Amino acid sequence: EAQVTQNPRYLITVTGKKLTVTCSQNMNHEYMSWYRQDPGLGLRQIYYSMNVEVTDKGDVPEGYKVSRKEKRNFPLILESPSPNQTSLYFCASSLGRGTSTDTQYFGPGTRLTVL
Amino acid sequence: AQSVTQPDIHITVSEGASLELRCNYSYGATPYLFWYVQSPGQGLQLLLKYFSGDTLVQGIKGFEAEFKRSQSSFNLRKPSVHWSDAAEYFCAVAGADGLTFGKGTHLIIQP
Repeated sequence: EAQVTQNPRYLITVTGKKLTVTCSQNMNHEYMSWYRQDPGLGLRQIYYSMNVEVTDKGDVPEGYKVSRKEKRNFPLILESPSPNQTSLYFCASSLGRGTSTDTQYFGPGTRLTVL
Repeated sequence: AQSVTQPDIHITVSEGASLELRCNYSYGATPYLFWYVQSPGQGLQLLLKYFSGDTLVQGIKGFEAEFKRSQSSFNLRKPSVHWSDAAEYFCAVAGADGLTFGKGTHLIIQP
């Protein structure tokens, strides 16, 4: 089954404790992206990747890191989480680049709480 | 940079009534437009998309949307809503970096 998976689905952590949210897709997609969803703000792009070893900042990259060592994986790293990073995070992938007509497929989301 | 405005934060509709969710976009070129739905506790699912051609596009679950270039709009419609349509709806436009989403419209269905 074609899908985007994220782990963990739920995470409660404390300020400053490094964490990684994994994202994996099995559709051989080139483009992958991370979004955060906050009430009243919709989804905002954090980082995206056009292909392996190619990443770029989205609209709200501060406090986040990403890597794209393999085509299928695009982990989101919070080196020193803070309470304002409490949010619902979505990973997405698509066959083509951002301006393409390809559909973006979304993972199920990771709900992160930083105390 | 592109932007999307969904003017209605919440909309309440009676079951069986018609629905229209508004979306206005700002983009310099021909837009690629999308509507996604997010059911409670779920990820986002694509309802429909517009790239070119016929300005009335059909999607899944009985939804349709009409692209109006003169009004910079891409409104989502459904002739008769079902209780299972209660969800958050997001309009999005594709740009060079990826999708830019509106803030969403929360749809409430009254029995």
